[in-house]
Amino acid sequence: LAKTTQPISMDSYEGQEVNITCSHNNIATNDYITWYQQFPSQGPRFIIQGYKTKVTNEVASLFIPADRKSSTLSLPRVSLSDTAVYYCLVGDRNTGFQKLVFGTGTRLLVSP
Amino acid sequence: DVKVTQSSRYLVKRTGEKVFLECVQDMDHENMFWYRQDPGLGLRLIYFSYDVKMKEKGDIPEGYSVSREKKERFSLILESASTNQTSMYLCASLPSGKETQYFGPGTRLLVL
Repeated sequence: LAKTTQPISMDSYEGQEVNITCSHNNIATNDYITWYQQFPSQGPRFIIQGYKTKVTNEVASLFIPADRKSSTLSLPRVSLSDTAVYYCLVGDRNTGFQKLVFGTGTRLLVSP
Repeated sequence: DVKVTQSSRYLVKRTGEKVFLECVQDMDHENMFWYRQDPGLGLRLIYFSYDVKMKEKGDIPEGYSVSREKKERFSLILESASTNQTSMYLCASLPSGKETQYFGPGTRLLVL
């Protein structure tokens, strides 16, 4: 079972870049790395997904080193509205949905 | 846009009652999930379904059952509600061949 480890919480200020690292030492060859964002009283929503190297979209970047044992979600120039819980999960749907473990997430607080 | 709706945002029930939580998705997704979310524990998978009338246990199925009679609807059933089932319940759907789940807004259940 691919388990992930993330910091419980992080603090930042508006306009700063935030990097949240996730460890997944026993990631399997076919596993993807996916990040979700969750605001209070809402369900999580997809942010970004990758397999290796770097992926960028309009919201964030995802950096994955060659050994894939960790990944870093990068949020450029955060705003107050980025305050949320961020979940990293790894899994391969072909080997069972039980592997899509969300974990406890990282609570990001952005202050003025 | 994918839409996943849950029948109630807030629900209060008494110990021993039978509780139905309904989830409907409008994008013809094959896969649907039920999670519960508790402080400090993140999201935990209760049950999932990969097709009509098909179901699989997740990490914490005890005390719960599910029903999937139609593709768009996935119901979570608490046969005899207990206070330790007080939680936020989240439903999600997932199209085949993809790894991105789409979540509903959640149902906050309080069992007295």
